[in-house]
Amino acid sequence: GENVEQHPSTLSVQEGDSAVIKCTYSDSASNYFPWYKQELGKRPQLIIDIRSNVGEKKDQRIAVTLNKTAKHFSLHITETQPEDSAVYFCATNSNTGNQFYFGTGTSLTVIP
Amino acid sequence: DTGVSQDPRHKITKRGQNVTFRCDPISEHNRLYWYRQTLGQGPEFLTYFQNEAQLEKSRLLSDRFSAERPKGSFSTLEIQRTEQGDSAMYLCASSQTAGNTEAFFGQGTRLTVV
Repeated sequence: GENVEQHPSTLSVQEGDSAVIKCTYSDSASNYFPWYKQELGKRPQLIIDIRSNVGEKKDQRIAVTLNKTAKHFSLHITETQPEDSAVYFCATNSNTGNQFYFGTGTSLTVIP
Repeated sequence: DTGVSQDPRHKITKRGQNVTFRCDPISEHNRLYWYRQTLGQGPEFLTYFQNEAQLEKSRLLSDRFSAERPKGSFSTLEIQRTEQGDSAMYLCASSQTAGNTEAFFGQGTRLTVV
């Protein structure tokens, strides 16, 4: 099955600084790469996704980059705010497209 | 709330008892997934339905676990003879047809086996 590795597991940044979370995957057939944000006790919610036909996507302070050759993708959050504090999960779809494989999560703390 | 809903939100059961969880997906979504999440980990895939057909099951899904989606709408996940290791958050998600579209998650059912 797919192996998704995510780093770092914890990340603390000062408010206003940038945060970068990186993931690698193993299945070259994966073509969809979502990022989920999960606040304590709440459901995972999609914040941004990217498909394999593009290398970068941006939505306000959030951007995702994808390097299919190297099989890695990254989440970039600029001008971080305390409400960005949460656990972030990267994911990829399986070669059948029937499931998602998740990383182990990054706990982001934005220090006011 | 027109999102994915799960019931119950919390369940405490004694070891050896059976439990059943329910998931109501977003109405126009024909794909439904069950995931399990333990503390400090990402969601782990359990099983997947396309309409009423269960098309994929994880090796994590032992014989004590069974899932159904009888009419292609809501789904149930049953765990028989629960063990302490079954304690986790059980998440349901749904999506539209293509495998590269967003999966919407429910709030989850937190199971505690004592």
